[in-house]
Amino acid sequence: QVQLQESGPGLVKPSQTLSLTCTVSGGSIKTGGYYWSWIRQYPGKGLEWIGYIYYSGSTYYNPSLKSRISLSVDTSKNQFSLKVNSVTAADTAVYYCARGPHDFCDFWGQGTLVTVSS
Amino acid sequence: QSALSQPASVSGSPGQSITISCTGTNSDVGTYDLVSWYQQYPGKAPKLIIYGVTKRPSGVSNRFSGSKSGNTASLTVSGLQAEDEADYYCCSYAGISPPLVFGGGTKLTVL
Repeated sequence: QVQLQESGPGLVKPSQTLSLTCTVSGGSIKTGGYYWSWIRQYPGKGLEWIGYIYYSGSTYYNPSLKSRISLSVDTSKNQFSLKVNSVTAADTAVYYCARGPHDFCDFWGQGTLVTVSS
Repeated sequence: QSALSQPASVSGSPGQSITISCTGTNSDVGTYDLVSWYQQYPGKAPKLIIYGVTKRPSGVSNRFSGSKSGNTASLTVSGLQAEDEADYYCCSYAGISPPLVFGGGTKLTVL
């Protein structure tokens, strides 16, 4: 079965760029019909959908974050990535990568905590 | 502020049934039969328990059921068990921008 694993720095300084990678195993990222998502969860609070990418490179972003985020996919490594520019303390959250069709997420990574602090 | 509205908390005794509501708008829940629900334990990733309003993934207990009326979707948990104590989140497809919107989450307490 598909497994996803987030990786990246756990601490990022304010105004810098947050970069995370999700490695997919147990299945190909090029499998048709699946979108590869990033979702974050603020400490003790709800979920926020960030965006998703199709293996072809088509991207869909949350309008509230669109000016600061970019998603990319590397099919040769079976990975997809997230970059968030100009981070502030408000970007401190657990970041999840996930897979699913366009309307839900059926497999999730375990999540990685990213703290924005100097 | 979350796009979909859920009660902050609900509670019930073992064996009882509870229902969690998820209220959206004509742009999401009201237009698309594409509501999903997730169960989350502390420190763990969310787990899909309902998709397409009423469908259950393989392996999910039939004590979990979903429904929708107008702009409000609902998750019902019947025959409450201690293991059902968790946070529950709804999510709806909302078209192109943004495609997915989540609710603020509901904490279910089994008394």
